[in-house]
Amino acid sequence: DTGVSQDPRHKITKRGQNVTFRCDPISEHNRLYWYRQTLGQGPEFLTYFQNEAQLEKSRLLSDRFSAERPKGSFSTLEIQRTEQGDSAMYLCASSQAGVAPSYEQYFGPGTRLTVT
Amino acid sequence: DAKTTQPNSMESNEEEPVHLPCNHSTISGTDYIHWYRQLPSQGPEYVIHGLTSNVNNRMASLAIAEDRKSSTLILHRATLRDAAVYYCIVMKTSYDKVIFGPGTSLSVIP
Repeated sequence: DTGVSQDPRHKITKRGQNVTFRCDPISEHNRLYWYRQTLGQGPEFLTYFQNEAQLEKSRLLSDRFSAERPKGSFSTLEIQRTEQGDSAMYLCASSQAGVAPSYEQYFGPGTRLTVT
Repeated sequence: DAKTTQPNSMESNEEEPVHLPCNHSTISGTDYIHWYRQLPSQGPEYVIHGLTSNVNNRMASLAIAEDRKSSTLILHRATLRDAAVYYCIVMKTSYDKVIFGPGTSLSVIP
Protein backbone atom coordinates (compact mmCIF):
# COMPACT_ATOMS: atom_id res chain seq x y z
CA ASP A 1 0.00 0.00 0.00
CA THR A 2 1.77 3.08 -1.24
CA GLY A 3 -1.03 5.51 -0.44
CA VAL A 4 -2.77 8.00 -2.68
CA SER A 5 -0.45 9.85 -5.01
CA GLN A 6 -1.06 13.03 -6.96
CA ASP A 7 0.83 14.58 -9.80
CA PRO A 8 2.05 17.24 -10.15
CA ARG A 9 2.51 18.53 -6.61
CA HIS A 10 2.71 22.11 -7.79
CA LYS A 11 1.49 23.80 -10.94
CA ILE A 12 1.84 27.43 -11.96
CA THR A 13 -0.11 28.47 -15.01
CA LYS A 14 -1.21 31.64 -16.74
CA ARG A 15 -4.84 32.67 -16.75
CA GLY A 16 -6.68 31.12 -19.68
CA GLN A 17 -4.51 28.02 -19.95
CA ASN A 18 -5.78 24.48 -19.43
CA VAL A 19 -4.35 22.26 -16.70
CA THR A 20 -4.75 18.58 -15.88
CA PHE A 21 -4.05 16.84 -12.60
CA ARG A 22 -3.72 13.13 -11.98
CA CYS A 23 -4.63 11.06 -8.95
CA ASP A 24 -3.63 7.45 -8.34
CA PRO A 25 -5.75 5.95 -5.57
CA ILE A 26 -4.94 2.99 -3.36
CA SER A 27 -5.22 0.08 -5.76
CA GLU A 28 -8.12 -1.84 -4.24
CA HIS A 29 -10.24 1.23 -3.53
CA ASN A 30 -13.38 1.61 -5.60
CA ARG A 31 -14.28 5.18 -4.58
CA LEU A 32 -12.29 8.23 -5.58
CA TYR A 33 -13.03 11.80 -4.51
CA TRP A 34 -11.82 15.23 -5.54
CA TYR A 35 -11.80 18.18 -3.14
CA ARG A 36 -10.57 21.77 -3.41
CA GLN A 37 -9.06 23.73 -0.55
CA THR A 38 -8.32 27.44 -0.44
CA LEU A 39 -6.11 29.06 2.17
CA GLY A 40 -7.56 28.99 5.67
CA GLN A 41 -10.62 26.95 4.69
CA GLY A 42 -11.53 23.31 5.04
CA PRO A 43 -11.55 21.20 1.88
CA GLU A 44 -14.67 21.46 -0.30
CA PHE A 45 -16.12 18.47 -2.10
CA LEU A 46 -16.03 18.60 -5.90
CA THR A 47 -16.96 15.17 -7.23
CA TYR A 48 -16.62 11.46 -6.66
CA PHE A 49 -16.47 8.21 -8.60
CA GLN A 50 -17.44 4.69 -7.78
CA ASN A 51 -15.28 2.60 -10.09
CA GLU A 52 -15.52 4.44 -13.42
CA ALA A 53 -18.92 6.02 -12.79
CA GLN A 54 -19.05 9.65 -11.71
CA LEU A 55 -21.84 9.55 -9.14
CA GLU A 56 -21.99 13.10 -7.82
CA LYS A 57 -20.79 16.54 -8.81
CA SER A 58 -20.84 19.62 -6.61
CA ARG A 59 -22.23 22.92 -7.81
CA LEU A 60 -18.64 24.15 -7.37
CA LEU A 61 -17.69 22.07 -10.41
CA SER A 62 -18.40 24.55 -13.19
CA ASP A 63 -18.46 23.49 -16.83
CA ARG A 64 -14.79 24.44 -17.08
CA PHE A 65 -13.99 21.49 -14.84
CA SER A 66 -14.11 17.88 -15.98
CA ALA A 67 -13.08 14.73 -14.18
CA GLU A 68 -12.63 11.23 -15.49
CA ARG A 69 -11.74 7.86 -14.10
CA PRO A 70 -11.26 5.54 -17.06
CA LYS A 71 -11.26 1.85 -16.16
CA GLY A 72 -11.92 2.71 -12.54
CA SER A 73 -8.27 3.20 -11.68
CA PHE A 74 -6.49 6.58 -11.78
CA SER A 75 -8.44 9.79 -12.23
CA THR A 76 -7.77 13.09 -13.95
CA LEU A 77 -9.18 16.51 -13.18
CA GLU A 78 -8.98 19.06 -15.98
CA ILE A 79 -9.60 22.76 -15.65
CA GLN A 80 -10.10 24.64 -18.90
CA ARG A 81 -9.51 28.37 -19.33
CA THR A 82 -8.14 28.75 -15.81
CA GLU A 83 -9.06 31.81 -13.76
CA GLN A 84 -7.27 33.33 -10.79
CA GLY A 85 -10.08 32.09 -8.56
CA ASP A 86 -9.10 28.53 -9.43
CA SER A 87 -5.89 28.94 -7.41
CA ALA A 88 -6.19 26.36 -4.64
CA MET A 89 -4.99 23.01 -3.39
CA TYR A 90 -6.71 20.15 -5.21
CA LEU A 91 -6.96 17.06 -3.05
CA CYS A 92 -7.77 13.52 -4.07
CA ALA A 93 -8.96 10.81 -1.71
CA SER A 94 -9.95 7.18 -2.06
CA SER A 95 -11.86 4.65 -0.03
CA GLN A 96 -13.33 1.18 -0.29
CA ALA A 97 -17.10 1.46 -0.16
CA GLY A 98 -19.29 -1.47 0.72
CA VAL A 99 -16.65 -3.63 2.35
CA ALA A 100 -16.23 -3.61 6.10
CA PRO A 101 -14.21 -2.15 7.65
CA SER A 102 -14.31 0.88 5.40
CA TYR A 103 -13.99 3.67 7.82
CA GLU A 104 -11.68 6.12 6.31
CA GLN A 105 -10.87 8.11 3.27
CA TYR A 106 -7.19 8.25 2.45
CA PHE A 107 -6.09 11.61 1.12
CA GLY A 108 -3.23 12.37 -1.19
CA PRO A 109 -0.77 15.23 -0.63
CA GLY A 110 -2.61 17.50 -3.05
CA THR A 111 -1.72 19.52 -6.13
CA ARG A 112 -1.23 23.21 -5.46
CA LEU A 113 -2.40 25.29 -8.41
CA THR A 114 -1.39 28.92 -8.82
CA VAL A 115 -2.98 30.89 -11.65
CA THR A 116 -1.12 34.09 -12.51
CA ASP B 1 -25.53 15.81 6.78
CA ALA B 2 -25.74 17.38 10.24
CA LYS B 3 -23.83 20.60 10.84
CA THR B 4 -21.07 20.69 13.40
CA THR B 5 -19.73 23.52 15.56
CA GLN B 6 -16.15 23.62 16.81
CA PRO B 7 -13.99 26.30 18.43
CA ASN B 8 -11.82 28.08 15.88
CA SER B 9 -8.61 27.50 17.79
CA MET B 10 -7.20 25.89 20.91
CA GLU B 11 -3.83 25.75 22.61
CA SER B 12 -2.24 22.99 24.61
CA ASN B 13 1.02 22.48 26.39
CA GLU B 14 3.18 19.65 25.17
CA GLU B 15 2.65 16.32 26.96
CA GLU B 16 -0.67 17.43 28.42
CA PRO B 17 -4.08 16.00 27.45
CA VAL B 18 -6.18 17.91 24.95
CA HIS B 19 -9.96 17.82 24.75
CA LEU B 20 -11.34 19.06 21.43
CA PRO B 21 -15.12 19.63 21.59
CA CYS B 22 -17.68 19.36 18.81
CA ASN B 23 -21.41 20.09 18.85
CA HIS B 24 -23.70 18.31 16.39
CA SER B 25 -27.16 18.91 17.80
CA THR B 26 -28.98 17.95 14.56
CA ILE B 27 -27.36 14.53 14.28
CA SER B 28 -29.71 11.72 13.33
CA GLY B 29 -29.78 8.28 14.88
CA THR B 30 -27.74 6.55 12.21
CA ASP B 31 -25.13 9.26 11.56
CA TYR B 32 -21.51 8.48 12.34
CA ILE B 33 -19.18 10.99 14.01
CA HIS B 34 -15.81 11.18 12.30
CA TRP B 35 -12.68 13.15 13.10
CA TYR B 36 -10.02 13.99 10.58
CA ARG B 37 -6.96 16.18 11.05
CA GLN B 38 -4.79 18.08 8.63
CA LEU B 39 -1.16 18.73 9.41
CA PRO B 40 0.48 21.73 7.74
CA SER B 41 1.07 21.23 4.01
CA GLN B 42 -0.52 17.77 4.00
CA GLY B 43 -3.84 16.23 3.01
CA PRO B 44 -6.32 15.40 5.77
CA GLU B 45 -5.94 12.12 7.62
CA TYR B 46 -8.51 10.02 9.42
CA VAL B 47 -8.27 10.04 13.21
CA ILE B 48 -11.21 8.15 14.64
CA HIS B 49 -14.93 7.60 14.28
CA GLY B 50 -17.85 6.36 16.37
CA LEU B 51 -21.60 5.88 16.46
CA THR B 52 -22.78 5.68 20.06
CA SER B 53 -20.09 4.23 22.30
CA ASN B 54 -16.79 5.79 23.24
CA VAL B 55 -13.93 4.64 21.03
CA ASN B 56 -10.19 4.35 21.46
CA ASN B 57 -7.43 3.83 18.94
CA ARG B 58 -3.70 4.40 18.83
CA MET B 59 -4.12 8.05 17.88
CA ALA B 60 -6.90 9.27 20.14
CA SER B 61 -10.10 8.60 22.06
CA LEU B 62 -13.58 9.71 21.12
CA ALA B 63 -16.09 10.43 23.86
CA ILE B 64 -19.69 10.67 22.64
CA ALA B 65 -22.39 12.26 24.78
CA GLU B 66 -25.30 10.05 25.74
CA ASP B 67 -27.71 12.13 23.62
CA ARG B 68 -25.12 12.16 20.78
CA LYS B 69 -25.50 15.91 20.35
CA SER B 70 -21.84 16.48 21.16
CA SER B 71 -18.55 14.65 21.20
CA THR B 72 -14.98 15.23 22.35
CA LEU B 73 -11.78 14.13 20.72
CA ILE B 74 -9.15 13.40 23.34
CA LEU B 75 -5.44 13.41 22.66
CA HIS B 76 -3.93 11.86 25.76
CA ARG B 77 -0.50 13.49 25.54
CA ALA B 78 -0.13 16.27 23.02
CA THR B 79 3.09 16.35 21.07
CA LEU B 80 4.38 19.02 18.72
CA ARG B 81 3.41 16.73 15.85
CA ASP B 82 -0.23 16.98 16.90
CA ALA B 83 -0.37 20.65 15.88
CA ALA B 84 -2.96 20.56 13.11
CA VAL B 85 -6.49 21.53 12.13
CA TYR B 86 -8.96 19.02 13.55
CA TYR B 87 -12.25 18.50 11.75
CA CYS B 88 -15.36 16.98 13.32
CA ILE B 89 -17.70 15.59 10.67
CA VAL B 90 -21.04 13.86 10.82
CA MET B 91 -21.60 11.37 8.01
CA LYS B 92 -24.30 8.94 7.02
CA THR B 93 -21.71 6.35 5.97
CA SER B 94 -17.97 6.21 6.33
CA TYR B 95 -17.42 6.30 2.59
CA ASP B 96 -19.71 9.20 1.73
CA LYS B 97 -18.24 12.52 0.64
CA VAL B 98 -16.77 14.46 3.54
CA ILE B 99 -18.27 17.90 4.23
CA PHE B 100 -15.54 19.76 6.08
CA GLY B 101 -16.21 22.80 8.25
CA PRO B 102 -13.49 25.23 9.29
CA GLY B 103 -12.28 22.89 12.07
CA THR B 104 -10.25 23.69 15.19
CA SER B 105 -6.68 24.80 14.76
CA LEU B 106 -4.67 23.21 17.58
CA SER B 107 -1.40 24.78 18.64
CA VAL B 108 0.95 22.82 20.89
CA ILE B 109 3.31 24.84 23.04
CA PRO B 110 6.66 23.27 23.95
